[in-house]
Amino acid sequence: GAGVSQSPSNKVTEKGKDVELRCDPISGHTALYWYRQRLGQGLEFLIYFQGNSAPDKSGLPSDRFSAERTGESVSTLTIQRTQQEDSAVYLCASSLAGARTYEQYFGPGTRLTVT
Amino acid sequence: AQSVAQPEDQVNVAEGNPLTVKCTYSVSGNPYLFWYVQYPNRGLQFLLKYITGDNLVKGSYGFEAEFNKSQTSFHLKKPSALVSDSALYFCAVRDMSYNTDKLIFGTGTRLQVFP
Repeated sequence: GAGVSQSPSNKVTEKGKDVELRCDPISGHTALYWYRQRLGQGLEFLIYFQGNSAPDKSGLPSDRFSAERTGESVSTLTIQRTQQEDSAVYLCASSLAGARTYEQYFGPGTRLTVT
Repeated sequence: AQSVAQPEDQVNVAEGNPLTVKCTYSVSGNPYLFWYVQYPNRGLQFLLKYITGDNLVKGSYGFEAEFNKSQTSFHLKKPSALVSDSALYFCAVRDMSYNTDKLIFGTGTRLQVFP
């Protein structure tokens, strides 16, 4: 079956512009996550969606970052007024929910470069 | 707070030799531990997980990991390394505290297998 997909795969934008990143989770996965991976570093948690529950936004680095999810499907991560420090690979993951045993499946990521 | 540490930035090993990639953890409660691998320009791929049960966990591509509670470690191992195992490896612990569910990653270890 299809895995997690993300678009675009690469995005170059000028400082100050807004960008929107998209994630399509695996069908049937109710949990969805966004992470950020800066060059040479590990992954940082950004936000977690689970069904109709309020998302955990505790990882969003500033109010320029926001994310939405439509039901249990597509999610978009929006970065407003981009800064150079926003340059990173943004990874989306999805998972079955409700049990600690379920692993997260990751998409290929969107590489964002802010010039 | 939950955390994992990967003390080695890089591990070098000759093809055919055994390999070990180290990970130690700090958690409150029972640990839920994962290993992921990242090939160049690819997303993360799940390798294996420890939830409960046997301390030796077997995963994909011939990898295994040993959970050691007394040493709070979860080292990744393979009896005979392949050049194709060269990649970036991440250890992670799952944080499912109140109203969240996220993976907390180590900083990663780059494995280089030489022919």
